[in-house]
Amino acid sequence: ILNVEQSPQSLHVQEGDSTNFTCSFPSSNFYALHWYRWETAKSPEALFVMTLNGDEKKKGRISATLNTKEGYSYLYIKGSQPEDSATYLCASPGLRGNEKLTFGTGTRLTIIP
Amino acid sequence: KAGVTQTPRYLIKTRGQQVTLSCSPISGHRSVSWYQQTPGQGLQFLFEYFSETQRNKGNFPGRFSGRQFSNSRSEMNVSTLELGDSALYLCASSLYLNTEAFFGQGTRLTVV
Repeated sequence: ILNVEQSPQSLHVQEGDSTNFTCSFPSSNFYALHWYRWETAKSPEALFVMTLNGDEKKKGRISATLNTKEGYSYLYIKGSQPEDSATYLCASPGLRGNEKLTFGTGTRLTIIP
Repeated sequence: KAGVTQTPRYLIKTRGQQVTLSCSPISGHRSVSWYQQTPGQGLQFLFEYFSETQRNKGNFPGRFSGRQFSNSRSEMNVSTLELGDSALYLCASSLYLNTEAFFGQGTRLTVV
């Protein structure tokens, strides 16, 4: 069973502050790591798909880094805005990408105006 | 282009009934996955189809089944509904197995 873990479970951040959270996954036979944002009453939306160790991806104020050797990825949000309030999920397709996409339980981020 | 379409959006069923949910993927996408989300739980994987073949299956009882048609549309069926089956069921499509997933709006199933 593939274990994908996220921390913290929830986070309250003041508007304008920067924040980050973690996704841990098995480092052996790494294939890819996905990040999704899930806003209330909407569908999960892909942010990044990361495949290379040391990879860093950016979309606006959101960026992510990947360390496949130690099995973790960080998601950073710079200058948080109320619209960043959402649950952020990471997911791994397991060995060689042949397994089901296993999601972590998510980090629920609330931005306080 | 059109996104992933799930029908119906809401459904109320009684215990013991069966239900069929439908998912139309993004045009050109060949992989369709189904997930269940219940309060306090993350996304629980149900099954994944690629080119009409079930490629992966989650740890759900045999009452949960699915299929994919030649046009990549997919259906999932739950028979003998139980109260615990009340959940949001999400479908996601992707170009190939385990590439970036595009989710539908979900079907909210309530079993009474």
